Amino acid sequence: DTEVTQTPKHLVMGMTNKKSLKCEQHMGHRAMYWYKQKAKKPPELMFVYSYEKLSINESVPSRFSPECPNSSLLNLHLHALQPEDSALYLCASSQDWGTGFVDEQFFGPGTRLTVL
Amino acid sequence: DAKTTQPTSMDCAEGRAANLPCNHSTISGNEYVYWYRQIHSQGPQYIIHGLKNNETNEMASLIITEDRKSSTLILPHATLRDTAVYYCIVRVYGGATNKLIFGTGTLLAVQP
Repeated sequence: DTEVTQTPKHLVMGMTNKKSLKCEQHMGHRAMYWYKQKAKKPPELMFVYSYEKLSINESVPSRFSPECPNSSLLNLHLHALQPEDSALYLCASSQDWGTGFVDEQFFGPGTRLTVL
Repeated sequence: DAKTTQPTSMDCAEGRAANLPCNHSTISGNEYVYWYRQIHSQGPQYIIHGLKNNETNEMASLIITEDRKSSTLILPHATLRDTAVYYCIVRVYGGATNKLIFGTGTLLAVQP
């Protein structure tokens, strides 16, 4: 199974709502990532988890809160978002992180988020 | 990581080879060249990567110039399903980070 799944596919939320995005992989990968992609722009890295610990936070606002409950699951908790946070949120995984070898990242299909 | 430059868009006739160029003139000796593509409304998909030798897999070939300042991704027989944005990325091998920094990419439109 070389698939990264993301739920929900689409999400519409108000600025006062709290919601969560979910990402799952069963490839035994130990590194997982969140990316944000605005329309007609390339993906931008938000967070990296390695062995269930946060390794990189690319100065993301605190209204985005990542969580890695176990090695297969990655969540992104959303609270008090702004309309400009509307974007495609992509999850990815790779075999490992920063151990000196090159490996590919597998991406999920993304969650399209609209903030009203 | 070194910066890459790609044409904004390219067209290719179905069944013909698609040759997508990438300039990475500031590449360092320990940086690999990666290619990903993103079909509309999907997540990016890994295609191929290389250091200095030419590489081939079931999806594509990667030709890297001898001075490593540029490379070309070749899709040997393009189909309509190859229409996508193609990203050329250079990445440090063995670095402390496994970041992918996407540039603006090339929109390849395969025409019937």
